[in-house]
Amino acid sequence: AQSVTQLDSQVPVFEEAPVELRCNYSSSVSVYLFWYVQYPNQGLQLLLKYLSGSTLVKGINGFEAEFNKSQTSFHLRKPSVHISDTAEYFCAVTDTGGFKTIFGAGTRLFVKA
Amino acid sequence: DSGVTQTPKHLITATGQRVTLRCSPRSGDLSVYWYQQSLDQGLQFLIQYYNGEERAKGNILERFSAQQFPDLHSELNLSSLELGDSALYFCASSVGTGWGTDTQYFGPGTRLTVL
Repeated sequence: AQSVTQLDSQVPVFEEAPVELRCNYSSSVSVYLFWYVQYPNQGLQLLLKYLSGSTLVKGINGFEAEFNKSQTSFHLRKPSVHISDTAEYFCAVTDTGGFKTIFGAGTRLFVKA
Repeated sequence: DSGVTQTPKHLITATGQRVTLRCSPRSGDLSVYWYQQSLDQGLQFLIQYYNGEERAKGNILERFSAQQFPDLHSELNLSSLELGDSALYFCASSVGTGWGTDTQYFGPGTRLTVL
């Protein structure tokens, strides 16, 4: 079984500052890792995913994440955030042979002017 | 706009009742997934259908059932509703069956309130 822990429930940050949203996972098997964004009153949208290969994954809207197998982490970063990045971000994991995705509890990113 | 549509947007009903949520996947997508998002349980996968057949099951209660029709739209039926079933129910679709390789596109959700 897998589990996902998003270490911060809320992250306030000023506009144009860098941000890191932290995600740790546990699994006894190989996994795929995902970050999704949910804007207010909308469904989830895939930001990026790690399947294999390079541990640095680039996604949409200037976000990137780094897979660290030894630390079982998949932290999401953006060098300079905008007001429009205010949303809830979900880290998710699925084992490579499985059929379902486990989501973290979410991190609410609040970008202040 | 993801291309996935869900109806209705909002649903208010009473305990003990039965409701049906509807989802139309993106054109060309064969898989439909149902998720429940609530304050206490977070986002949970309920069930997946691929081309009319049940493909994977998550934390779906026995009071809940789903099906996918020949035109690929899907319905989620919730019966004997309880207060704790109040949540946002999302549908997602993807081209194939792969949880890793396929990107899932989410609909806007149906907000269910059980009074």
